[in-house]
Formats: sequence, C-alpha cells, structure tokens
Amino acid sequence: AQSVSQHNHHVILSEAASLELGCNYSYGGTVNLFWYVQYPGQHLQLLLKYFSGDPLVKGIKGFEAEFIKSKFSFNLRKPSVQWSDTAEYFCAVNHNNNDMRFGAGTRLTVKP
Amino acid sequence: DGGITQSPKYLFRKEGQNVTLSCEQNLNHDAMYWYRQDPGQGLRLIYYSQIVNDFQKGDIAEGYSVSREKKESFPLTVTSAQKNPTAFYLCASSIVITAFTSYGYTFGSGTRLTVV
Repeated sequence: AQSVSQHNHHVILSEAASLELGCNYSYGGTVNLFWYVQYPGQHLQLLLKYFSGDPLVKGIKGFEAEFIKSKFSFNLRKPSVQWSDTAEYFCAVNHNNNDMRFGAGTRLTVKP
Repeated sequence: DGGITQSPKYLFRKEGQNVTLSCEQNLNHDAMYWYRQDPGQGLRLIYYSQIVNDFQKGDIAEGYSVSREKKESFPLTVTSAQKNPTAFYLCASSIVITAFTSYGYTFGSGTRLTVV
C-alpha cells in the first residue's frame, strides 16, 4: 500500500546535538513533500516544503530537508537543536489529487 | 486575521449520539479537509472537498459524514456508526492549484472529541 513512513517514533537529544529524522514514501510519480511541526498545545505549522528544483530545501528555524528521489526519502535535519525544538514532527506527501498523506509522526524531546 | 476556526475545542458525546464539529475558514481557500489524529498513527484523512457541493472520502470515512454548502464551511458529523470516535480532529484548507503542485495546508487548532 502507498504510505508515508517515519521510522523514529520518539527521539531524545541534548541541546546542541544534531538531528536527522527519517521520512520515506512509497508513491510513484511526481510528489510534493512537506514537513510539519506541532509544538505542545499548538496547531500544526508548515516547517518546509519541496516542489521541484534544488533537492536541498531550507525551512524556518534552521531546519532543512533533502529530497533523494532514488531513495524515496525526504529526511529532516538540523545541525544543532534547541530545547524549544521539542515538538512532534510530521512528514507529508501530496500527489495526484491534492490530498495530503501524513506519516505517523516523530516526537522530539530536547533536554536542556 | 485570516485563518481556520474549529469549534468547540473540547466536545463530549454520549455513545449512540451524533455530533457535529464545526470548521470555518476566511482564507478564500477552495479545498478543505478533515483529519483524525491518534497517538502513534499520525493524521489520517477522513474526507476532503475541493469545491462547493462536492466532497470525497478519505482513508477512514466510515462512520463520518460531511457537507460543503458554502466555500467557507466544512462541518464534520461523527455518527453513532463510528466505532471508536474518541480522537483529536483537525480541519485544514488549501488553495487548489490547477497544475500539479500544492502550497501546503493551513490547519485549525483542532477539536478533541471524547465519548463518555
């Protein structure tokens, strides 16, 4: 079945550690890719998106993601996390008919 | 300010009752969506609508119904046929792009439904 997979359910890091959250999808053809973030008690916000062009996209708050078409992946990275990055992160894929499919989410806890 | 308003924030329902969740947007977006968020399962699509008076089932439409009589409004009814309705429900909207692309969704703040 077509799906979006986030392999890490819960990641715990210390401040200043580097972050990489994995995202793989199984849809063929052209896709638009997104990362959303949900801070505690807040609604989902768009972190970054990929439509076409440079496969390395930069988002808000120092986050970036790399689209690797051959691996069907769109991993999220940040060189140095902060306590305020504690949140749940969702990878999402939009294809064909404009509806979005989400991964199960990765909960990130950053220890001060 | 433009945005999506979901109401109520918390909702309690007795078993066997239907309940309607409200979603209103003033962004002039064509498309609207309902998702259900459960711990460890991410967001699952219930229904979506790209134009007024038209909507499509998502992955978990059973036990739910929607209407889209106005562009701004996309209410979701959780019926008594929904076996496990306790969840967090999110509404979203987006611009419909005629060529293949998407600018992403704007989300509401959600409604937490509890069946008692």
